[in-house]
Amino acid sequence: GENVEQHPSTLSVQEGDSAVIKCTYSDSASNYFPWYKQELGKGPQLIIDIRSNVGEKKDQRIAVTLNKTAKHFSLHITETQPEDSAVYFCAAKGSARQLTFGSGTQLTVLP
Amino acid sequence: DGGITQSPKYLFRKEGQNVTLSCEQNLNHDAMYWYRQDPGQGLRLIYYSQIVNDFQKGDIAEGYSVSREKKESFPLTVTSAQKNPTAFYLCASSIPQGRGYGYTFGSGTRLTVV
Repeated sequence: GENVEQHPSTLSVQEGDSAVIKCTYSDSASNYFPWYKQELGKGPQLIIDIRSNVGEKKDQRIAVTLNKTAKHFSLHITETQPEDSAVYFCAAKGSARQLTFGSGTQLTVLP
Repeated sequence: DGGITQSPKYLFRKEGQNVTLSCEQNLNHDAMYWYRQDPGQGLRLIYYSQIVNDFQKGDIAEGYSVSREKKESFPLTVTSAQKNPTAFYLCASSIPQGRGYGYTFGSGTRLTVV
């Protein structure tokens, strides 16, 4: 089955700097890659997603890139703000009919 | 507004008791899922259901049971066979495969054994 690895597990950045979170996946048939943001005590919220026919997608300060050959995808957050502090999860959907999630990254934006 | 409602938000269970976590959605989604979240371990799939009256085991189904009698509802029972049930439980739903893949999550139920 699909295996998704996510790095780093924790990330601290200064406010205004950029943050990058990376994920790799194992199933070459995977074709959908969402990113979720989870605030403390709440359920994850979809923040951006990308399909395998696209190499990059951007939404304001958030962007996701996909390298199908290397089987990795990354989340980029620019001009970070304190409200960006949360746990971020990547996921991939492959041959199985459900998403496989990474282990999460705790992002802390320092004022 | 459409969404997923999980209840209760906090639940306490005594040793040897079964407890049921509620998950209701009004998004008209066909598929529903239950995940368990422990600190530092991400989301682990317990059970999922693609259609009414059908469900499949996920990666950690032992000690749990589900039912899917209605499209809107997917309750999870944590049985006494689950040896370490203290965790944060998340329910999610999605539209049918082929028309999009995004999951919508509920706000979670935190279960504690006392």
